[in-house]
Amino acid sequence: NAGVTQTPKFRVLKTGQSMTLLCAQDMNHEYMYWYRQDPGMGLRLIHYSVGEGTTAKGEVPDGYNVSRLKKQNFLLGLESAAPSQTSVYFCASREMDGFVNQPQHFGDGTRLSIL
Amino acid sequence: GDSVTQMEGPVTLSEEAFLTINCTYTATGYPSLFWYVQYPGEGLQLLLKATKADDKGSNKGFEATYRKETTSFHLEKGSVQVSDSAVYFCALSSGGSYIPTFGRGTSLIVHP
Repeated sequence: NAGVTQTPKFRVLKTGQSMTLLCAQDMNHEYMYWYRQDPGMGLRLIHYSVGEGTTAKGEVPDGYNVSRLKKQNFLLGLESAAPSQTSVYFCASREMDGFVNQPQHFGDGTRLSIL
Repeated sequence: GDSVTQMEGPVTLSEEAFLTINCTYTATGYPSLFWYVQYPGEGLQLLLKATKADDKGSNKGFEATYRKETTSFHLEKGSVQVSDSAVYFCALSSGGSYIPTFGRGTSLIVHP
């Protein structure tokens, strides 16, 4: 029962390098989200997707790109990493809302340091 | 727009003490309300939820009641344990919005 799986769990990058964070969910959820969590800032939404092939910007999208080519996967890309992107990144997914709104399921996070 | 306000932490308690973490919200319509818990080094996990007024969500000894008249969803536990030390997030989802709204989180530290 994997739920939401994030890879990698830890990564150190140099300024200007690029990388992709992978999120995979096995619950057939329609909606997927990428957040960053910084001390004292709570959770901030970067991008989200409401279905395969769709993406939308959240609160802090600058410097990030995303893709949802398959329903179960949601990729977050950093084209040119900056020290301000040092953070813990969380992916979440949830079912399409029916009569009631559904909770989110979170991965365990990717701890990213940009030197 | 929607918003969630939580009491600032950290909240520091001794083991077996009573816990209350306040949460109030503003939202249009009739949102669903959630409490999530984040243990050190882990992601958020759903602790409990309530989907309509006067519903009481409960799990692992924690309880919260959906109070529409006071727009509140306070988290309570009668006797906390050291293992309850974590960050607690209050959140809501409104009908028609894809994006849940989270509070800033409240850190709970329980001493033996």
